[in-house]
Amino acid sequence: EPEVTQTPSHQVTQMGQEVILRCVPISNHLYFYWYRQILGQKVEFLVSFYNNEISEKSEIFDDQFSVERPDGSNFTLKIRSTKLEDSAMYFCASPRDRGWVNTEAFFGQGTRLTVV
Amino acid sequence: DAKTTQPTSMDCAEGRAANLPCNHSTISGNEYVYWYRQIHSQGPQYIIHGLKNNETNEMASLIITEDRKSSTLILPHATLRDTAVYYCIVRVAGDMRFGAGTRLTVKP
Repeated sequence: EPEVTQTPSHQVTQMGQEVILRCVPISNHLYFYWYRQILGQKVEFLVSFYNNEISEKSEIFDDQFSVERPDGSNFTLKIRSTKLEDSAMYFCASPRDRGWVNTEAFFGQGTRLTVV
Repeated sequence: DAKTTQPTSMDCAEGRAANLPCNHSTISGNEYVYWYRQIHSQGPQYIIHGLKNNETNEMASLIITEDRKSSTLILPHATLRDTAVYYCIVRVAGDMRFGAGTRLTVKP
């Protein structure tokens, strides 16, 4: 089964600091997604990224968030100035096929972000 | 994407079939029905998807009603490791949005 890898598995940061979460999606795929899950709540869509551009974003994805594909393989989510409420699991996802219709998505195991 | 409705929680005895329902009465003709599950705090795991016909794979079966307004995910022989939150999602393409899902507890 294709694998999506996320690093780090756990990150603790102080409020106001910048964090970068990394994802290595399925190679040669054009679609990537970020989701988050606050403890005890549902999985929430943040942003989708297609061919090096943001495709869609939710109301959660405000100016403090940004996504990049810096080197053609890694896919990063940056939170500019973390708040306590940013504490959550962050998941990266990649569809099996290069397209995104009639195909399943594979999720990484997540990065647990703790803001103190 | 169409909205889905699932029961909040269900129990199932180990070794028995688990039948998880999902209502999607506003589904449109080109929307697929997807099922994912999340075990504890792990990343969501794909189970199965379909458009009109019933589907089966090594994990589960998906039964979609003829009018496509509802579907049932069947785990034929549930094990303790199938305890998870199960999500029914309806979409065409683009982003996938998760609801609250059904928390399935498989009991010995």
